[in-house]
Amino acid sequence: DAGITQSPRHKVTETGTPVTLRCHQTENHRYMYWYRQDPGHGLRLIHYSYGVKDTDKGEVSDGYSVSRSKTEDFLLTLESATSSQTSVYFCAISPPGQGQPQHFGDGTRLSIL
Amino acid sequence: AQTVTQSQPEMSVQEAETVTLSCTYDTSESDYYLFWYKQPPSRQMILVIRQEAYKQQNATENRFSVNFQKAAKSFSLKISDSQLGDAAMYFCAYRRNFGNEKLTFGTGTRLTIIP
Repeated sequence: DAGITQSPRHKVTETGTPVTLRCHQTENHRYMYWYRQDPGHGLRLIHYSYGVKDTDKGEVSDGYSVSRSKTEDFLLTLESATSSQTSVYFCAISPPGQGQPQHFGDGTRLSIL
Repeated sequence: AQTVTQSQPEMSVQEAETVTLSCTYDTSESDYYLFWYKQPPSRQMILVIRQEAYKQQNATENRFSVNFQKAAKSFSLKISDSQLGDAAMYFCAYRRNFGNEKLTFGTGTRLTIIP
């Protein structure tokens, strides 16, 4: 296994509340990613990080922020959750080198009521 | 922008038979990688196979092989001797060969294995 842990695995919360999802890696890789998975859309990139304090937006970044204060941790925050953010969220890491596949965590199922 | 299309939302195959999942993509790049990921009911994303665009030889991993047609921008996955454990969602993904680029995914194909 690639050494990625996502927490929590499941969460139910209410509209308007802040939510933070955590991704922790033990591989010391520079690159980390947050995706969301929705039926009919596959996985779509929310944000990614290419080093400590270095982050950038993906294609569906509205309503999300990220932080990376340590190599091993990449946090995804929903400042004020909305029902449209109900989804399964995946963290991924990428080893260095050309063509290396991304390795995924086990996902967090987030339900916003 | 790159796009990946999986036109078969669902497929089914008899156990021990062969099935082919389709994937097409659109890109103006010439240097890229293509991947197939498997997602069983456990929700894990498991890498099945990888293909480099500059390699003409089709990748093979045990019972899994691809038919990569670069000019047609087609990347199909063939599963031989299908097993019950092959039942899953299968995602095709594209990544251009530049730094640690993001993956662009198709919408997935749900594969059912009929005993």
